[in-house]
Amino acid sequence: GEDVEQSLFLSVREGDSSVINCTYTDSSSTYLYWYKQEPGAGLQLLTYIFSNMDMKQDQRLTVLLNKKDKHLSLRIADTQTGDSAIYFCAENPDYKLSFGAGTTVTVRA
Amino acid sequence: GAGVSQSPSNKVTEKGKDVELRCDPISGHTALYWYRQSLGQGLEFLIYFQGNSAPDKSGLPSDRFSAERTGGSVSTLTIQRTQQEDSAVYLCASSPSLGENIQYFGAGTRLSVL
Repeated sequence: GEDVEQSLFLSVREGDSSVINCTYTDSSSTYLYWYKQEPGAGLQLLTYIFSNMDMKQDQRLTVLLNKKDKHLSLRIADTQTGDSAIYFCAENPDYKLSFGAGTTVTVRA
Repeated sequence: GAGVSQSPSNKVTEKGKDVELRCDPISGHTALYWYRQSLGQGLEFLIYFQGNSAPDKSGLPSDRFSAERTGGSVSTLTIQRTQQEDSAVYLCASSPSLGENIQYFGAGTRLSVL
């Protein structure tokens, strides 16, 4: 099974907040990441958080990290149609990234 | 360059042929990584380079796969005698160093083996 787990689908109304959750396994990860993938495109680094932080905010994005529970979340405020994509959570126990299966976010009008 | 550049963006080949995929990392990035994204397997790590050295090749799926990096910059992933199960998107990423492991990805090469 995968070391990083995410729910597969999320549907959200335009203008609402989206929350994508992720659990990871390796407490030695220095960083934890969120990547976005639009259809036919590569992976876009959305944001990342140092493992010694609890929260990071970047414009509409808020990342929360609970190290005790190995839980990471990404909140997107005021979700727009352009936010429709697949979102990947990733950890880095070593030099390589270990990804979750991705959460497909669909924004409906 | 401004970002990680990969070529070709799409490659269609016949089973049994060899293919070469190219990655041009962000200028100044010493670490370079190859991943594969396929429907059944998700995102898999293949190999990484620190400079021109690849310390760990254990992620390569078979001995048909090889990679090299020259001049601490461009990398080539070669797949020999391609099989249909090699069909996937091959993604390259680079980071400033192994320690500063913020990986930026290219758009990928979509490989289709007929």
